Amino acid sequence: SQELEQSPQSLIVQEGKNLTINCTSSKTLYGLYWYKQKYGEGLIFLMMLQKGGEEKSHEKITAKLDEKKQQSSLHITASQPSHAGIYLCGAANTGKLIFGQGTTLQVKP
Amino acid sequence: DTAVSQTPKYLVTQMGNDKSIKCEQNLGHDTMYWYKQDSKKFLKIMFSYNNKELIINETVPNRFSPKSPDKAHLNLHINSLELGDSAVYFCASSHFTGGIIRMNTEAFFGQGTRLTVV
Repeated sequence: SQELEQSPQSLIVQEGKNLTINCTSSKTLYGLYWYKQKYGEGLIFLMMLQKGGEEKSHEKITAKLDEKKQQSSLHITASQPSHAGIYLCGAANTGKLIFGQGTTLQVKP
Repeated sequence: DTAVSQTPKYLVTQMGNDKSIKCEQNLGHDTMYWYKQDSKKFLKIMFSYNNKELIINETVPNRFSPKSPDKAHLNLHINSLELGDSAVYFCASSHFTGGIIRMNTEAFFGQGTRLTVV
């Protein structure tokens, strides 16, 4: 079965700093999804990547899928307190969406 | 309008009770899911329904029984609740795009139901 591993598991950064979260899959990724979860709330869809080498951006968040389609990275530029939360990568796998264990991000003002 | 709505948001109940969580989506999606998020925030799929038919059951105890009266609704009924059932349960929906690898579009999630069994 496919597994997703995220790193780091938790991250504390100073406001204004850049950061990167990685997601590595044990199998080829046919659809990679990034979600954000704030405490006590549901998951908010950020981006979906499908093609090797694909890169997408939304505001200050950029996600990439490597050429081999087994790894994705999420990069936040000039982090703000509003970026704090849990970031989860998900992969489409035979009709279901499986998730990594999540990366908890804290941004210190 | 809320795309995926779950009720209730909080549920506190005693061991041995039976409870239900309701989920409704107004996105016109054909696939709905139930996920369980444990205390370590790990999100694990429980069930997946496509056009009211069960397509995925991830080794969930028989005490959990999903019911889909129509494509827009997927309810979760839990019998004989146990302490270990305490978690946050998320409902989600997506559109099944088909293909050999059975792709789906991105899933939209409800706000979650925090179940506490005492």
